[in-house]
Amino acid sequence: ELKVEQNPLFLSMQEGKNYTIYCNYSTTSDRLYWYRQDPGKSLESLFVLLSNGAVKQEGRLMASLDTKARLSTLHITAAVHDLSATYFCAVDAGSGTYKYIFGTGTRLKVLA
Amino acid sequence: NAGVTQTPKFRVLKTGQSMTLLCAQDMNHEYMYWYRQDPGMGLRLIHYSVGEGTTAKGEVPDGYNVSRLKKQNFLLGLESAAPSQTSVYFCASGLGQGARDTGELFFGEGSRLTVL
Repeated sequence: ELKVEQNPLFLSMQEGKNYTIYCNYSTTSDRLYWYRQDPGKSLESLFVLLSNGAVKQEGRLMASLDTKARLSTLHITAAVHDLSATYFCAVDAGSGTYKYIFGTGTRLKVLA
Repeated sequence: NAGVTQTPKFRVLKTGQSMTLLCAQDMNHEYMYWYRQDPGMGLRLIHYSVGEGTTAKGEVPDGYNVSRLKKQNFLLGLESAAPSQTSVYFCASGLGQGARDTGELFFGEGSRLTVL
């Protein structure tokens, strides 16, 4: 059974600092997704990583995927308050299943 | 552009009552999903569907039933609600993983259910 683990679960950081959120998963998969959720809101797609070595960047966020290590990272550069949210990674349980399993989420709070 | 719409958005039930949550999408997506979100647990997949007339179990299917009679609708039913089913329920849909799609999901706004 696929397990998706994120760490840290909670992250409080100062504006201007850098940090990385980690997403580990337990079975072979070459697709990984990152989503953002603002408090009391729905989830929106941030990044889609479709192959080993994939790297995507938007603004102060950069995501990467290492399928051999079964690891994805979400790197935050020079954090700003607007990035405060909960970030989820999700993995397809297996080729052709379309069964997406989510991690527990990382709640990020950026302090001014 | 509606996207994914869930109804109702809020509901309070008594233990043992039944109810149905409706999810409707207007994007002609093949795949639809029901997740529940609880504090500290992330999103857990209840049931999903890869096409009209099909359903499959997710991580936490017990106590729930689903139906996908029409491509655009995915219904989640609770036959006999229990306090453990108090949660926020999210519906999502996705086009698929064909050549022109990446597999990302589009979510509804959520339905908050309280079972007393």
